[in-house]
Amino acid sequence: DIVMTQSPDSLAVSLGERATINCKSSQSVLYSSSNKNYLAWYQQKPGQPPKLLIYWASTRESGVPDRFSGSGSGTDFTLTISNLQAGDVAVYYCQQYYTTPTFGGGTKVEIK
Amino acid sequence: EVRLVQSGAEVKRPGESLKISCKGSGYSFTSFWIGWVRQMPGKGLEWMGIIYPGDSDTRYRPSFQGQVTISADESINTAYLQWSSLKVSDTAMYYCATGGEVYKYWGQGTLVTVSS
Repeated sequence: DIVMTQSPDSLAVSLGERATINCKSSQSVLYSSSNKNYLAWYQQKPGQPPKLLIYWASTRESGVPDRFSGSGSGTDFTLTISNLQAGDVAVYYCQQYYTTPTFGGGTKVEIK
Repeated sequence: EVRLVQSGAEVKRPGESLKISCKGSGYSFTSFWIGWVRQMPGKGLEWMGIIYPGDSDTRYRPSFQGQVTISADESINTAYLQWSSLKVSDTAMYYCATGGEVYKYWGQGTLVTVSS
């Protein structure tokens, strides 16, 4: 299995500020022939199923605000939430789909 | 509109069997893999396995192989997750999901509680 390690486990950010979540894979999830990173980000709010935010490491899902952005390649990835809103309070997960899918442990984002 | 609707919450005893369901609508059910994801209380997401309803090709995460059975009935656009003998440690929320290589669409989840 590819192990996905997220950091930090939790963070508290003031409204309007930026939240940065890191995700590291135990091996590269970059498929060289397509030059695509098989990495997605999900948001899960309490009592709800996860919601797809980003795929191919940086492609926003339709309807996702552009405050959410993904970056990185190979083994190191970042989800950035700009201008944090109250509605962004959630747990965020990265997932690789290069091989048998695995998720990171999650990062809880709260308001400071 | 793509929808995945899961069966309702279950409370079972250890050793009992269980089959939960996930009914798809609004898309070609046989054309997309459906995955099952476990979320134990207060914990993260674990991918369990997938099925391609078009030909019932099924793959399991090794840790779930032999512990659960994934199946599908394309005639009623429904996928299933089944246990033959539940354990207390199977207590969790179970989600079905689909949408291609990433999970764009999710069911609402089925809470399974196993307690003596």
